Amino acid sequence: GAVVSQHPSWVICKSGTSVKIECRSLDFQATTMFWYRQFPKQSLMLMATSNEGSKATYEQGVEKDKFLINHASLTLSTLTVTSAHPEDSSFYICSASPSGTSGSKEQFFGPGTRLTVL
Amino acid sequence: AQSVAQPEDQVNVAEGNPLTVKCTYSVSGNPYLFWYVQYPNRGLQFLLKYITGDNLVKGSYGFEAEFNKSQTSFHLKKPSALVSDSALYFCAVRAPMDTGRRALTFGSGTRLQVQP
Repeated sequence: GAVVSQHPSWVICKSGTSVKIECRSLDFQATTMFWYRQFPKQSLMLMATSNEGSKATYEQGVEKDKFLINHASLTLSTLTVTSAHPEDSSFYICSASPSGTSGSKEQFFGPGTRLTVL
Repeated sequence: AQSVAQPEDQVNVAEGNPLTVKCTYSVSGNPYLFWYVQYPNRGLQFLLKYITGDNLVKGSYGFEAEFNKSQTSFHLKKPSALVSDSALYFCAVRAPMDTGRRALTFGSGTRLQVQP
């Protein structure tokens, strides 16, 4: 089956530093990947849609300069949290849909990255 | 804008009994509906989806869901619950193809607790 990995699985950083999270589709190509954020005991909230070879599309209220997204290849998207602060602490989950398929295909989710900012 | 409602924060059921996790949706046009399960500190695992066709959809681990257009519902069901089914369940909707929006909108989640 289609597998999506995320690295790291968890990270602790100091306030003011930047953290990069990788999302990889291991056995399929993904033109589009999605980044979600999940607070404890809450649902997933879409942050942005990552498009290979073009700029990401951010949801309303998500700062694009703070959450930098790069989709350099058909199997890799990265989310960089710049100048992280404690309120950025959250569970970040990416997902991907195989390229060349209709929109009816399910998205495959990564295992998530837990970010804790001290 | 599309939305999903899961009215129950938690559902408790005894092992061996049938379970239902409720979901209603709001979207313009014909929806694409999904159910996902999340175990602690893990990403989401796909259970099933409704795109078109039969209203009763069968998915992984013995789960099924019934699409009801008139009630705009997509309740998740299982005839006999297992303790290992205890997890967080999310209903999600994707807008129709012609909107060009492929991201999912998730419900708030329902925690299923199956007691031995």
